[in-house]
Amino acid sequence: KNEVEQSPQNLTAQEGEFITINCSYSVGISALHWLQQHPGGGIVSLFMLSSGKKKHGRLIATINIQEKHSSLHITASHPRDSAVYICAVSRNYGGSQGNLIFGKGTKLSVKP
Amino acid sequence: EADIYQTPRYLVIGTGKKITLECSQTMGHDKMYWYQQDPGMELHLIHYSYGVNSTEKGDLSSESTVSRIRTEHFPLTLESARPSHTSQYLCASSELWFRTTGELFFGEGSRLTVL
Repeated sequence: KNEVEQSPQNLTAQEGEFITINCSYSVGISALHWLQQHPGGGIVSLFMLSSGKKKHGRLIATINIQEKHSSLHITASHPRDSAVYICAVSRNYGGSQGNLIFGKGTKLSVKP
Repeated sequence: EADIYQTPRYLVIGTGKKITLECSQTMGHDKMYWYQQDPGMELHLIHYSYGVNSTEKGDLSSESTVSRIRTEHFPLTLESARPSHTSQYLCASSELWFRTTGELFFGEGSRLTVL
C-alpha cells in the first residue's frame, strides 16, 4: 500500500463547480505539499502546510494531522485548472528527512 | 516564477549512447533532487544532494549518476542509455529542511526516449 493515497484518481467537472481532492498518508510528516502538474510536465508548488488551512485565490488547502488527511479545494473551477494535482509529504524522521513521498496524482479535467 | 532550468527538454537517442541531462538553479538552494516519472505514475526520487560535493541515492534504484561541483548545477548522466531508461526526468531544488519550510521548485522536465 502506498504511503500517500489520493482520491479520486480522475475527476471531470463542469466550469464553475466546487472541487475537492483528498489525500491520506500513513507516515509521520513534517509538512504536506500540494503540487500542480500541467500537461507539458512542469510542476508548480501550490501549498506547503503543516497544520490548519491555507488559501490562495480560488484554492484552499486543509490538513488534519491527527487524522493524517488533507484536502485541496478549488472554488469556481475553470478549464485552466485542468491539470494533475499531486499530494506529497515530507518525512520527519530518518536519513532521508525532508525528502518527499508522492501520491499518484489526481487528474482533473474542467469542461467549459 | 522558479529559476530552475533543465536541458534538453526533449531527447531521442539510440541505445548505448551516453547522455547528460543538465539542471541549473539561480536561487542559491543547497538541496537539489532528480526525480523520474513514467506516464501516469508518481514521481520517484533517484538522486539528491545536500550541497557541493554531496550526492545521495534516492528511493528508486537508478543506473544514472550525478555530480555537484557547483551549488547551482546538478547534472545527471547515463553512461549507456537503454530503452528501459525512457521516462521523464524532473529536477528540483529547495533550501535545507531545517532552514525553511522546504518548498520545492521544479524544472520543466527532460523527456528522454531511448530507441
